Amino acid sequence: GDSVTQKEGLVTLTEGLPVMLNCTYQTIYSNAFLFWYVHYLNESPRLLLKSSTDNKRTEHQGFHATLHKSSSSFHLQKSSAQLSDSALYYCALREYNTNTGKLTFGDGTVLTVKP
Amino acid sequence: EAAVTQSPRSKVAVTGGKVTLSCHQTNNHDYMYWYRQDTGHGLRLIHYSYVADSTEKGDIPDGYKASRPSQENFSLILELASLSQTAVYFCASSRDREGSDYTFGSGTRLLVI
Repeated sequence: GDSVTQKEGLVTLTEGLPVMLNCTYQTIYSNAFLFWYVHYLNESPRLLLKSSTDNKRTEHQGFHATLHKSSSSFHLQKSSAQLSDSALYYCALREYNTNTGKLTFGDGTVLTVKP
Repeated sequence: EAAVTQSPRSKVAVTGGKVTLSCHQTNNHDYMYWYRQDTGHGLRLIHYSYVADSTEKGDIPDGYKASRPSQENFSLILELASLSQTAVYFCASSRDREGSDYTFGSGTRLLVI
């Protein structure tokens, strides 16, 4: 079945430094829909970015990611980390060609930004 | 404002007891999901539904039942709660299966003792 790998369980950065959270995926289908969800403490997870277009950069709220089907990757980046970016980040893959609408989530990366 | 509301926000249950977690959405979405969140395991799908009166098993359905009596409501039932079911449970809805955004509830923190 589909799977999503987020290598880093915990990333700690100093404010102002660039952010890169890794996400790779496996699917038997040529079409893949990838998502980044952000989960702030005591809130609901919410969508940050999504893409299904190969090699096209997508941006939102200062974050960006590019889906690369050749390497099965969808890394999340930001040029300069802010304290308010501290949260749990999930990469997710939508299962294609079924009726489920199911998302397969990675294990998540906790990003902590320090002053 | 469209939303997904879960109840209760937290619960302490006794091993072997019955637990029902409720979810209500006002998004007019067809798809609803129950996920559990464990540290180091991300979000894993327990049950989902794409139409009222019908539910489907997700990736980790053992020990859980689900009920979808209407488009708006989706419940998760633990008939015999076990210690291993201590987790945070999230309900979500989506408009369709084509990659629409999920709307998540605020979660239910369940502690089984």
